[in-house]
Amino acid sequence: GAGVSQSPSNKVTEKGKDVELRCDPISGHTALYWYRQRLGQGLEFLIYFQGNSAPDKSGLPSDRFSAERTGESVSTLTIQRTQQEDSAVYLCASSASGTGYNEQFFGPGTRLTVL
Amino acid sequence: GQQVMQIPQYQHVQEGEDFTTYCNSSTTLSNIQWYKQRPGGHPVFLIQLVKSGEVKKQKRLTFQFGEAKKNSSLHITATQTTDVGTYFCAGHDSNYQLIWGAGTKLIIKP
Repeated sequence: GAGVSQSPSNKVTEKGKDVELRCDPISGHTALYWYRQRLGQGLEFLIYFQGNSAPDKSGLPSDRFSAERTGESVSTLTIQRTQQEDSAVYLCASSASGTGYNEQFFGPGTRLTVL
Repeated sequence: GQQVMQIPQYQHVQEGEDFTTYCNSSTTLSNIQWYKQRPGGHPVFLIQLVKSGEVKKQKRLTFQFGEAKKNSSLHITATQTTDVGTYFCAGHDSNYQLIWGAGTKLIIKP
């Protein structure tokens, strides 16, 4: 596609439910990043994929968070047993490579609200 | 770990006034990138600086990278309402990971 796409754009869920967020990076981009952005705050790094492997999972806040990437393309971020503090915008970004000084292209984000 | 500090957190200016945001790193950066996030939007890449002491301009925006490659600034001359948003700096560490500043939110009073 022309840009990074994310779905859903909005997700409202009840506390304790699992949610799955999807990211489609720019075709050919080998690096993919997930960030969390709470209201009025900066970008909180969650996880980075180079191809299908995740060399850096250091930002995942807890074991309720997991992510995978398949086919060096689509990635899903799964949050299990959601809590109210998980409410935020989840941004996905891709870049041509994770081993260079490449710019990151962001998707529009998924706004998650946990009631 | 490596950190990039960005100040100020917020800046209110009258339309037509200048605006500057500063980034400082605890260690030498390989490069510095600047992004803009409009209200309700996502970060969009503006520019990248790589060389020590580099200065680049985009219309009313001037970007600088310090001689020691530890600091950078973005200066906007004669702000307009279209400049509203949050400006982020980010620099790559030695493992090519992008370390982000916390952002400076520019608020313009018409």
